Amino acid sequence: GAVVSQHPSWVICKSGTSVKIECRSLDFQATTMFWYRQFPKQSLMLMATSNEGSKATYEQGVEKDKFLINHASLTLSTLTVTSAHPEDSSFYICSAREGGGSQNSPLHFGNGTRLTVT
Amino acid sequence: AQSVSQHNHHVILSEAASLELGCNYSYGGTVNLFWYVQYPGQHLQLLLKYFSGDPLVKGIKGFEAEFIKSKFSFNLRKPSVQWSDTAEYFCAVNDRNSGNTPLVFGKGTRLSVIA
Repeated sequence: GAVVSQHPSWVICKSGTSVKIECRSLDFQATTMFWYRQFPKQSLMLMATSNEGSKATYEQGVEKDKFLINHASLTLSTLTVTSAHPEDSSFYICSAREGGGSQNSPLHFGNGTRLTVT
Repeated sequence: AQSVSQHNHHVILSEAASLELGCNYSYGGTVNLFWYVQYPGQHLQLLLKYFSGDPLVKGIKGFEAEFIKSKFSFNLRKPSVQWSDTAEYFCAVNDRNSGNTPLVFGKGTRLSVIA
């Protein structure tokens, strides 16, 4: 079945550095990918919608200059956490919908990336 | 805006006990409803979904959920849980009539099944 691959699965970085997270759709094309963030014991919160070939759409309260999203191809979206700080430590998950983005198509999730900023 | 409420944060059951996890959503329009499961160390997997038709939907691994429109609810059930059902369960919703919209998730319910 359709698979979304997310890399890395975990990363530890120092405060002030940048971290890039990749999200790939392995056997389908995804014009749209979604990036979520999950704090401990909380729900997945949508950060942004990544659109291939155009700018991402960010949710209210999400700093677009801090969380850079690039969706350069139909199978790859990247999220870069710039100048990371300890409060950015979280679990980041991407998802993509197969089937051309039809609302009735299943949404597939990556394994998530656990980011720890020291 | 849509919102999803899952009533139980942590549920602990013995094996063979019956399970019901509550989910209520808030949205005035037509919705699609989902239950996802996240086993320890794994990614989110779709358990079942409701788009239209029979409000009682059956998913994988013996799970089912019933959509009760008047109650804005989509509770997840399983008659007899197993230790392997230990996981985090998320209810989610999106607008059926919009384009390629993301899911709105509840906070999740952690299920622990003990022998």
